[in-house]
Amino acid sequence: AQSVTQPDIHITVSEGASLELRCNYSYGATPYLFWYVQSPGQGLQLLLKYFSGDTLVQGIKGFEAEFKRSQSSFNLRKPSVHWSDAAEYFCAVSGNFGNEKLTFGTGTRLTIIP
Amino acid sequence: EAGVTQFPSHSVIEKGQTVTLRCDPISGHDNLYWYRRVMGKEIKFLLHFVKESKQDESGMPNNRFLAERTGGTYSTLKVQPAELEDSGVYFCASSQHPGTSGREQFFGPGTRLTVL
Repeated sequence: AQSVTQPDIHITVSEGASLELRCNYSYGATPYLFWYVQSPGQGLQLLLKYFSGDTLVQGIKGFEAEFKRSQSSFNLRKPSVHWSDAAEYFCAVSGNFGNEKLTFGTGTRLTIIP
Repeated sequence: EAGVTQFPSHSVIEKGQTVTLRCDPISGHDNLYWYRRVMGKEIKFLLHFVKESKQDESGMPNNRFLAERTGGTYSTLKVQPAELEDSGVYFCASSQHPGTSGREQFFGPGTRLTVL
């Protein structure tokens, strides 16, 4: 069975500081990996995705993530956070054809302090 | 292009009542998914439609939940009778097709259900 672990429930960073949100997954085959963000009162928005190829993927809003197969990780990074990045972030995994359902982590809530 | 829409945005009902949630996917998207987030827990998969057929309903919690997608367009999720533990946010998502390029799921804003 596939699973996702986001070990940090809540992270607080200063505006302008760098950010790394951790995500570890468990899946028996090649995973499809995603990071979604949910701002207050909004739905889930896709930040970036990894299917294959280059293990460093670029997303929207200046985010990037690196797929590390040996560590079963897909950590999300941003070099300099903005106050508007305050939100909840979800890592998710899906499988191959016929198993497209997303399995989510519990989410990491990001607070930005001025 | 309109995104995924869900109705209502909030619903407050009493235990034992019936509630029907509606999802309108992005036009042309064959795949429609329902997910639920119970407070403090992760977002969990409920079921997956391909057009009007149920592809995977392994996440449906019990037979009090009934999902339909008549005509392969919008979908409804009915909870009857509702229990306290059904409270949470119900998300709908849609995607074009299961190929790599169409794998991205677009989410609606969710319906917050409160059962008193």
